[in-house]
Amino acid sequence: QLQLQGSGPGLVKPSETLSLTCTVSGGSISNVDYYWGWIRQPPGKGLEWIGSIYHTGNTHYNPSLESRVTISVDTSRNHFSLKLYSVTAADTAVYYCARLFEAYPLDWGRGTLVSVSS
Amino acid sequence: EVVLTQSPDFQSVTPKEKVTITCRASQNIGSRLHWYQQKADHSPKLLIKYASQSFSGVPSRFSGSGSGTDFTLTINSLEAEDAAMYYCHQSSSLPITFGQGTRLEIK
Repeated sequence: QLQLQGSGPGLVKPSETLSLTCTVSGGSISNVDYYWGWIRQPPGKGLEWIGSIYHTGNTHYNPSLESRVTISVDTSRNHFSLKLYSVTAADTAVYYCARLFEAYPLDWGRGTLVSVSS
Repeated sequence: EVVLTQSPDFQSVTPKEKVTITCRASQNIGSRLHWYQQKADHSPKLLIKYASQSFSGVPSRFSGSGSGTDFTLTINSLEAEDAAMYYCHQSSSLPITFGQGTRLEIK
């Protein structure tokens, strides 16, 4: 069964870079049927798609975050990563990694809470 | 960007009742509308895909309908374990977007 495990620092200082990695197990990140993505949820709020990546490296980003986001994939390690630059308190959220089929999230990781604070 | 508006924002219901949650899209999205359930401190889980297709393992009391701009999630004979947030989501065009959520409370 597919599992997605996010990892990374739980605390980031304002203006610095948030970095998370999602390790995929129980399936190959090179599967041609799927995209891999990041979705976030501020405390007590709704869901916001950050962006998605295909195993070839093709990416799609939410225009609201595109200027500050990079998503990359490492097929040899079966993981993909998120970098969000110049963070502020508004970026405090639970960050989910997900497997997407035809652009909708099919499987979700458990979520990583990242707080932005000095 | 496709804006999804759910109603109601909150609903308190008793077990065995029937619940209906609606989701309206700001433009025609065909049937590319999906429903998720999120329980407290858990990740969202897919309930319904493409407006009306039940996802594997989801109880049969959950069903979806609609197309174009108006969609409905129905929960028949509500159970206590159905207390959760429910989100609609569109995959018709980028950026993919979610509704604001409906909180379902069981009395």
